[in-house]
Amino acid sequence: AQTVTQSQPEMSVQEAETVTLSCTYDTSESDYYLFWYKQPPSRQMILVIRQEAYKQQNATENRFSVNFQKAAKSFSLKISDSQLGDAAMYFCAYRSAVGIQGAQKLVFGQGTRLTINP
Amino acid sequence: KAGVTQTPRYLIKTRGQQVTLSCSPISGHRSVSWYQQTPGQGLQFLFEYFSETQRNKGNFPGRFSGRQFSNSRSEMNVSTLELGDSALYLCASSFVGPGGNEAFFGQGTRLTVV
Repeated sequence: AQTVTQSQPEMSVQEAETVTLSCTYDTSESDYYLFWYKQPPSRQMILVIRQEAYKQQNATENRFSVNFQKAAKSFSLKISDSQLGDAAMYFCAYRSAVGIQGAQKLVFGQGTRLTINP
Repeated sequence: KAGVTQTPRYLIKTRGQQVTLSCSPISGHRSVSWYQQTPGQGLQFLFEYFSETQRNKGNFPGRFSGRQFSNSRSEMNVSTLELGDSALYLCASSFVGPGGNEAFFGQGTRLTVV
């Protein structure tokens, strides 16, 4: 079974600074997807960024980028120019791309609570 | 396009009762997944429905069940409620096909068992 580990329960950063959230995962599969989701106090999970395992290029979405190290099974999220609205729980998630085609089961890490200090 | 809608938003039930939660996916999405979120266990996958068929199930007791209707709306049911079932239940819908596959989540149903 796949597992996802986020070793930082809490992180804080000054507004406008850069912060990196860590995520490692364990799998024997070669084809999969990785995601970072954000959950603000409103509780709704919002997709921040996704990475396909077969793509070597790291995904970026505006101020959000990832450092995907497939051999090390590491998938960290970098947030540049942090804004107050970035404060939330961040979850790293894994989805298999083998087996049932299009199966949507996500395996989540325990989350990192990010605080932005003004 | 309307997002994923979960009803009700809040629910208080007594031990031993049963409860039904509802999820309306984004129009055109045929996959609906359910997750349980608790402070202790985090986010855990319950099950996924696609075209009215359950095609994946998490490690939960048989008290947890679900179904999906022809319009892709889904319900999950928990029978004989226990205090430990108190949680945020999240529903996610996905368009399964080329170029798709992101899961879009609803705001959840907060279930409290007393």
